Amino acid sequence: DGGITQSPKYLFRKEGQNVTLSCEQNLNHDAMYWYRQDPGQGLRLIYYSQIVNDFQKGDIAEGYSVSREKKESFPLTVTSAQKNPTAFYLCASSATGGDNGYTFGSGTRLTVV
Amino acid sequence: SQQGEEDPQALSIQEGENATMNCSYKTSINNLQWYRQNSGRGLVHLILIRSNEREKHSGRLRVTLDTSKKSSSLLITASRAADTASYFCATRNQGGKLIFGQGTELSVKP
Repeated sequence: DGGITQSPKYLFRKEGQNVTLSCEQNLNHDAMYWYRQDPGQGLRLIYYSQIVNDFQKGDIAEGYSVSREKKESFPLTVTSAQKNPTAFYLCASSATGGDNGYTFGSGTRLTVV
Repeated sequence: SQQGEEDPQALSIQEGENATMNCSYKTSINNLQWYRQNSGRGLVHLILIRSNEREKHSGRLRVTLDTSKKSSSLLITASRAADTASYFCATRNQGGKLIFGQGTELSVKP
């Protein structure tokens, strides 16, 4: 079955550490996205990529980095520069063209300890 | 930046009743989409309505779009306890990215 897989489901980070969240899709979608969700604030776009080897900053990119070396994969690194990283992170993908919905992964909950 | 704003923020109804959620947005759009999120899970795409459409149905879901008022509504008829979730509207403009609202939390009591 096609879909998006995010791992791990739960992640704990110590102060000052970088952590990488995995996102893999087998839907043959060109576009992939990373969102952050905090309680009561909806989804905010961190980074997005519309094609391999290219990506753009979203609304809250500071303290995060991404890569898109393969069509199937779009990992997100939360760096130590991100001062408030505790949140629920969601990865999504879509086919190109405006009339396509997004397919979401099941999310990674990151907690700073 | 948040484009869509849902209203109400929370809604509690009894099973069998209808649930109506509203979404307002600020700029011109190509389409508007509704998503559902169960607690602690990813979002699931429910329905998409294009800017030149006024109404769309999918099972128990009915979506309307009024581009002159920059607003949309999602109606869930004959609600069930399993409909309990958060519902988000998202707008897509010519830039191609989806921008999500803050969601309506629906609770359906058995």
